[in-house]
Amino acid sequence: DVKVTQSSRYLVKRTGEKVFLECVQDMDHENMFWYRQDPGLGLRLIYFSYDVKMKEKGDIPEGYSVSREKKERFSLILESASTNQTSMYLCASSLGDRGFEKLFFGSGTQLSVL
Amino acid sequence: GDSVTQMEGPVTLSEEAFLTINCTYTATGYPSLFWYVQYPGEGLQLLLKATKADDKGSNKGFEATYRKETTSFHLEKGSVQVSDSAVYFCAHRYSSASKIIFGSGTRLSIRP
Repeated sequence: DVKVTQSSRYLVKRTGEKVFLECVQDMDHENMFWYRQDPGLGLRLIYFSYDVKMKEKGDIPEGYSVSREKKERFSLILESASTNQTSMYLCASSLGDRGFEKLFFGSGTQLSVL
Repeated sequence: GDSVTQMEGPVTLSEEAFLTINCTYTATGYPSLFWYVQYPGEGLQLLLKATKADDKGSNKGFEATYRKETTSFHLEKGSVQVSDSAVYFCAHRYSSASKIIFGSGTRLSIRP
């Protein structure tokens, strides 16, 4: 079975801290994505990557950066956490050029910034 | 710009009731359309999809038909179960695009 694992289920951080959210997939997928999920707003794409060391901005990249040094791992970085970044963060992966349609999601990290 | 609009939840039904969750989209051209489902404590998973007009996607008793004339992709199930309680997301994507646009989600609760 396809597995996307996010390192933490719940995370509490203070304003101004640097935060790392880690995501690992075991399916050898080329594409990886970071979304945030907020009530009433659905899922919004932050960043995605279609290859190692490649990254593309999504709809809301401000305040975030990403790193993909290995194919299986995609990290989301909050350089200086702010309270408006309190949210559920979802990582996803998919296979190749035709794989943008079927995304496999992790179970999410609920981040609270105090 | 392109968007997906779903009926607001929560939707609460009794077991064995008929379910409809409305979804409409705005887009130029002919995107692929999807329903994803998120069970409690889990990530989203693809429920069904349709790639062209009049296609019907189906899975686990759920169905949705791609209606180009009404730009809709409503999700239906004839008899819901308690285990269908989840959040349902409508989404679309162009073949040339590298991202999926999701709706805001509809929470469904089924009473025994």
